[in-house]
Amino acid sequence: QSVLTQPPSVSAAPGQKVTVSCSGSSSNIGDNYVSWYQQLPGTAPKLLIYENNQRPSGIPDRFSGSKSGTSATLGITGLQSGDEADYYCGTWDSSLSADVFGTGTKVTVL
Amino acid sequence: QVQLQESGPGLVKPSETLSLTCGVSGYSISSGYYWGWIRQPPGKGLQWIGSIYHLGTYYNPSLKSRVTISMDTSKNQFSLKLSSVTAADTAVYYCARGTRYSSHDYWGQGTLVTVSS
Repeated sequence: QSVLTQPPSVSAAPGQKVTVSCSGSSSNIGDNYVSWYQQLPGTAPKLLIYENNQRPSGIPDRFSGSKSGTSATLGITGLQSGDEADYYCGTWDSSLSADVFGTGTKVTVL
Repeated sequence: QVQLQESGPGLVKPSETLSLTCGVSGYSISSGYYWGWIRQPPGKGLQWIGSIYHLGTYYNPSLKSRVTISMDTSKNQFSLKLSSVTAADTAVYYCARGTRYSSHDYWGQGTLVTVSS
């Protein structure tokens, strides 16, 4: 059972923007950096955002991350069919002394 | 380019020990970073199992009693052992490199391990 809660699904038309929320607590998101991962069907997760809002080399600026208090948000602008995937947030939980992941959100391009 | 590759049996019997190895190329695991295991049951989300670094290991509290992660720097690989497995341990197991801020920046392709008699 995950300590980070995400909506099961979000959707939008091509070219539009979607946001994915990740809700936690003071012991995880509230106290630590958040990462975001994209998992295309049948593949391993890929790091999209680290340290709340940093993009690794090669990740387009259509992807953005933010954090406020005990919640974090992933934004995807200019939505493309290739963005259809599952998205997970992740962070460290200081109380559990464990890496934790969100429940995952399926992004659908209409 | 850092690359990770999991290897090990795809089928394990209940009550036995699951053993996997992650071979790393493009980076020396003795040079730093955390090296960890993450699993994903079929159709479900990600679960961190544990990680190892030069100062030691740390495990998911819910699995700690059954997990051992070790490193072999001479072979540039690290390993996972999960004892007393049940069907609930059936999952795709990924190895990944972790940073000090709990980001996992490089992942293996994953290997499906099924627990069944």
